[in-house]
Amino acid sequence: SQQGEEDPQALSIQEGENATMNCSYKTSINNLQWYRQNSGRGLVHLILIRSNEREKHSGRLRVTLDTSKKSSSLLITASRAADTASYFCATDAKARGAQKLVFGQGTRLTINP
Amino acid sequence: DSGVTQTPKHLITATGQRVTLRCSPRSGDLSVYWYQQSLDQGLQFLIQYYNGEERAKGNILERFSAQQFPDLHSELNLSSLELGDSALYFCASSVGGLAGVGEQFFGPGTRLTVL
Repeated sequence: SQQGEEDPQALSIQEGENATMNCSYKTSINNLQWYRQNSGRGLVHLILIRSNEREKHSGRLRVTLDTSKKSSSLLITASRAADTASYFCATDAKARGAQKLVFGQGTRLTINP
Repeated sequence: DSGVTQTPKHLITATGQRVTLRCSPRSGDLSVYWYQQSLDQGLQFLIQYYNGEERAKGNILERFSAQQFPDLHSELNLSSLELGDSALYFCASSVGGLAGVGEQFFGPGTRLTVL
């Protein structure tokens, strides 16, 4: 079963606009991460936010975390065509005594020129 | 380039066969993770090794096995292959494996097609 679920499943916007993706999860976490995947390629780590942090920035990326609502959002500002990709949130979860990352189904983002 | 390499890039085989996927982690990383990505199941964690020892198991079938060698490269063995095993298989690595799960660096993946 998925720990994280992204919303929306797909998002299409014009270049220059901001894109917001949301992630909800079910159990308590130590940290939450966002990854990007270009079609058929490996995932690239974008940002990690710890459970005691509320907001984090990295370049054009802004991530928020609300542990009371078990949700996170990823905002990409001033979008570019190169931002077209799938975006996944990942949370750590116990796996038979050890930690593992559990990924959501992802949001497919399309930036139209 | 993440520094994680995977071979082969593509693999086409028949049902019932056995294949081996190989992964070399980033220099200095002790943890290796294997994931399966398919359209219907999404990205699923299979197994983790840390410095040669199995650390965590996920949704890995009994027909699948993995190991990490002294030079830290890892192999994922898939046997008695079924059509449903067709997927992208990713390897990822990270520095540690003991204190929670941090940033992981993904390889380019191996696309397995079972005919």
